[in-house]
Amino acid sequence: GDSVTQMEGPVTLSEEAFLTINCTYTATGYPSLFWYVQYPGEGLQLLLKATKADDKGSNKGFEATYRKETTSFHLEKGSVQVSDSAVYFCALRSDNQFYFGTGTSLTVIP
Amino acid sequence: AAGVIQSPRHLIKEKRETATLKCYPIPRHDTVYWYQQGPGQDPQFLISFYEKMQSDKGSIPDRFSAQQFSDYHSELNMSSLELGDSALYFCASSWRQAAKVSPLHFGNGTRLTVT
Repeated sequence: GDSVTQMEGPVTLSEEAFLTINCTYTATGYPSLFWYVQYPGEGLQLLLKATKADDKGSNKGFEATYRKETTSFHLEKGSVQVSDSAVYFCALRSDNQFYFGTGTSLTVIP
Repeated sequence: AAGVIQSPRHLIKEKRETATLKCYPIPRHDTVYWYQQGPGQDPQFLISFYEKMQSDKGSIPDRFSAQQFSDYHSELNMSSLELGDSALYFCASSWRQAAKVSPLHFGNGTRLTVT
């Protein structure tokens, strides 16, 4: 079945460091891919999305490119801030079902 | 912009009691999803509704039931509560007509604590 595999955390970075959180997927069709962010005590918020191969989603300095050849959708940010500390979830939509990765906790220290 | 509204925000119940969680989706969204998230866990899909009919069923216990009403709001009913039911319960909505591009929009969740 469809699934998402996400890099395990927790990840701890210093402010202004480069961030990569790996995400790979398995899907039978042509899914849409998403990154969600969850701050403590809050719901998941959509961070960015890509709906077809080679699409690049971007928001708030975060980027991810839909790579069909490697079935990947890695999240990157060039310079993280303390306010980026949160849990990040990779997800795919296949038909009308959503599949989530297990989440990666990011802590950015000053 | 209107978001997904969930109530209550926090709920404390005792074992064997019942609980009802409510969800108001984004206007014009036709699909509602319920998720359960335990501490440090990813959201686990419980059940979904499309146009007021049950659409898909995930790992929802038999003690739980849900429905979507004519105004598209949804309620998750939980009976014979157990300690293990303590979790964050999220409702999310989406627009099936734009299936390819419409993401899930989450509410802020209901934190259920069973004592």
